[in-house]
Amino acid sequence: DQQVKQNSPSLSVQEGRISILNCDYTNSMFDYFLWYKKYPAEGPTFLISISSIKDKNEDGRFTVFLNKSAKHLSLHIVPSQPGDSAVYFCAAIKTGSARQLTFGSGTQLTVLP
Amino acid sequence: EAQVTQNPRYLITVTGKKLTVTCSQNMNHEYMSWYRQDPGLGLRQIYYSMNVEVTDKGDVPEGYKVSRKEKRNFPLILESPSPNQTSLYFCASNAGAGAYYEQYFGPGTRLTVT
Repeated sequence: DQQVKQNSPSLSVQEGRISILNCDYTNSMFDYFLWYKKYPAEGPTFLISISSIKDKNEDGRFTVFLNKSAKHLSLHIVPSQPGDSAVYFCAAIKTGSARQLTFGSGTQLTVLP
Repeated sequence: EAQVTQNPRYLITVTGKKLTVTCSQNMNHEYMSWYRQDPGLGLRQIYYSMNVEVTDKGDVPEGYKVSRKEKRNFPLILESPSPNQTSLYFCASNAGAGAYYEQYFGPGTRLTVT
């Protein structure tokens, strides 16, 4: 039973446009959410996070939105650049848990020049 | 430079031949984890450790062992590898609570079991 779901395995976007990556979760105990980016032959790297006490967090071109009632979060990349092409993983955790992160299956983003 | 290192990066082995994948971090992190990445399944946690001599099972621990005798090292042991353990493995570390939930990942170990 996947507690964190990324239902779109892939997404293609034109350079300069907005990329929107979606993530749903089922465990209502999760209260901290993260996005990771992964390039081929490298480990995932942390991108941005959000606590459940917020509904938005922004860092440069990257914004994460959290809708707790819908158990849904999204990552917006504006404007998208070819270097953003990577696999993006959504992850969640219940703070205070030693259990560590639960990851989604990832979305391959391709930004077309 | 803060980093997590894994060795080897690539390994091809045969069924039943014991192997160890090493993992080391230089950030003095308390928490360390092992994940495997499989197509369509994302990253699944195998084992994690909260500190020296403290380990616990993740989502897919069957067929794996770990040990944490030193804070910096967290080796993954496959006592009798099988083909279904062919996967991409990542070690990760993080400081713990609060803003430090962000995990730092190693570069990955591509394992093939024939």
